[in-house]
Amino acid sequence: KNEVEQSPQNLTAQEGEFITINCSYSVGISALHWLQQHPGGGIVSLFMLSSGKKKHGRLIATINIQEKHSSLHITASHPRDSAVYICAVGMGGGSNYKLTFGKGTLLTVNP
Amino acid sequence: EAGVAQSPRYKIIEKRQSVAFWCNPISGHATLYWYQQILGQGPKLLIQFQNNGVVDDSQLPKDRFSAERLKGVDSTLKIQPAKLEDSAVYLCASSLSSGTYNEQFFGPGTRLTVL
Repeated sequence: KNEVEQSPQNLTAQEGEFITINCSYSVGISALHWLQQHPGGGIVSLFMLSSGKKKHGRLIATINIQEKHSSLHITASHPRDSAVYICAVGMGGGSNYKLTFGKGTLLTVNP
Repeated sequence: EAGVAQSPRYKIIEKRQSVAFWCNPISGHATLYWYQQILGQGPKLLIQFQNNGVVDDSQLPKDRFSAERLKGVDSTLKIQPAKLEDSAVYLCASSLSSGTYNEQFFGPGTRLTVL
């Protein structure tokens, strides 16, 4: 069983601050996903990566396969970034691809 | 492109009652997932379908939960009878199966409260 640990569980920041959320996992994976969940339940996929680094706007995701660790960074944070950020690891492939989720990090960005 | 549709959005029932949730995945998505998300936790997979066949239902409490996807398109998840600990958000997701690492697209979820 692959355990997924996220830190911190809760994070409060001031608008404009640089945010880092960390994710560690215990066994080999096919890919790692970062997702965003707003109040009300809807989940949106932010990144899917199996190596290196990806960037989309103010969001950057990195992964170190050897250390089994990934980070999600938000530059110039804004109150609209307030949400739960969830790390999930994917195993298998094709129709057998499955995700195991972390508990999420609740981010609050104050104006 | 329409997203994953779920209904109802909210449901409140008494314990021992029955409840059913409906999901319509994105058109053409062969794989459909039902997740249970308890407050403060990440989603937990209940059942995964590939077309109308079950790929994984190892974490589905089969004494009270059932799910079907008879025509390989929309799906229904049922709880009978409900317990207090079933209070959670039930998420449906779908994905294509053609790639190696398939992005999952989530519906808005159904928030179930069991009193």
